[in-house]
Amino acid sequence: DTGVSQDPRHKITKRGQNVTFRCDPISEHNRLYWYRQTLGQGPEFLTYFQNEAQLEKSRLLSDRFSAERPKGSFSTLEIQRTEQGDSAMYLCASSTILGQGEETQYFGPGTRLLVL
Amino acid sequence: KQEVTQIPAALSVPEGENLVLNCSFTDSAIYNLQWFRQDPGKGLTSLLLIQSSQREQTSGRLNASLDKSSGRSTLYIAASQPGDSATYLCAAREHNTDKLIFGTGTRLQVFP
Repeated sequence: DTGVSQDPRHKITKRGQNVTFRCDPISEHNRLYWYRQTLGQGPEFLTYFQNEAQLEKSRLLSDRFSAERPKGSFSTLEIQRTEQGDSAMYLCASSTILGQGEETQYFGPGTRLLVL
Repeated sequence: KQEVTQIPAALSVPEGENLVLNCSFTDSAIYNLQWFRQDPGKGLTSLLLIQSSQREQTSGRLNASLDKSSGRSTLYIAASQPGDSATYLCAAREHNTDKLIFGTGTRLQVFP
């Protein structure tokens, strides 16, 4: 088990382009989360999946953002028509329920996006 | 709406000092509280998780306490080392939701 992995680690794009990020969770973790972190701030929740079902979406997730987890394993986060305000670190985390109330979220290294 | 605040925002101390990092949250109806470490440009590493029914958790030189009634958690780092230099984030998980609400972090520097 190598932990949560994210690809790419860095992405530079021009405003208006589409970008897609991938997250591979820890195997057998049924929950997968996406967060966004801007400089000097804590991560902000975007959305999460339990298996392949998307259960919650933040109002931060505008209609330009879409996330999928088609087979309940890896997940993709796509941003269409990128804007400079989308520049941030996009973090993925996975977890599983160990017992009542026990759930540690394990984070990946993140994808740093810069929109020029 | 849950809000999480961390004080201080930054801390610089000499090696060997014992430290206390503070985290406060506005809604005491939390499921658990988690402390993370983040190195520059990297992801988050989970340090300690305290369930709402617990008062504290310990791991090595780290001890985290939770007082739900006052909306506070503290992370105690004993005998600090330069390798402890990082940003420390606390996050509250609310009841009836599965997302974490993060504070803005405490940036710690331990110098030799």
